[in-house]
Amino acid sequence: SAVISQKPSRDICQRGTSLTIQCQVDSQVTMMFWYRQQPGQSLTLIATANQGSEATYESGFVIDKFPISRPNLTFSTLTVSNLSPEDSSIYLCSAQARLNTDTQYFGPGTRLTVL
Amino acid sequence: GDSVTQMEGPVTLSEEAFLTINCTYTATGYPSLFWYVQYPGEGLQLLLKATKADDKGSNKGFEATYRKETTSFHLEKGSVQVSDSAVYFCALSYGSSNTGKLIFGQGTTLQVKP
Repeated sequence: SAVISQKPSRDICQRGTSLTIQCQVDSQVTMMFWYRQQPGQSLTLIATANQGSEATYESGFVIDKFPISRPNLTFSTLTVSNLSPEDSSIYLCSAQARLNTDTQYFGPGTRLTVL
Repeated sequence: GDSVTQMEGPVTLSEEAFLTINCTYTATGYPSLFWYVQYPGEGLQLLLKATKADDKGSNKGFEATYRKETTSFHLEKGSVQVSDSAVYFCALSYGSSNTGKLIFGQGTTLQVKP
């Protein structure tokens, strides 16, 4: 299994600013992902964080708005840029420990409120 | 595109009652199906999964059977406990194998009263 931590757990930000969320896994993992959960809605995949290369974004999400880094096999960051109230959501990091397995482990999430 | 639909909550039950949370899906190909649970203040945890038609996933007294003919993956438990109070998410994998990408249902809140 993998234990995932996220920082910060919550934040309140002003419109137009940016927030960077950190995701730390307690062991090396092959794949890491970022999801968004808007109020009252389901989880939506933002992107796959690729180690040592650019992230792979899902339809409707772009690098300029959600830049992602993954410098090694245990750590990733997601930045939400140029914040607007519509960005108020819970952002979750997840990791898949090995290839050929469906099991993903999730972090506790970061609750972002944009004023 | 692929999608997952869950029954709306909250679902409120008395302890020891029988639980069913409905989940249906739309998918091309043959996805794996999952139930995740989120206890208050905690992250999502994998509860159970099934990777092909007629497979039954089970864990902690919960069960779900992959029904291709009805495109369903309903979650059941024979006797719920107060500690089962949580939000339950049905999900499917999509994309090519081993991409790890998941599509989630909207989640169903379960409240179990003593």
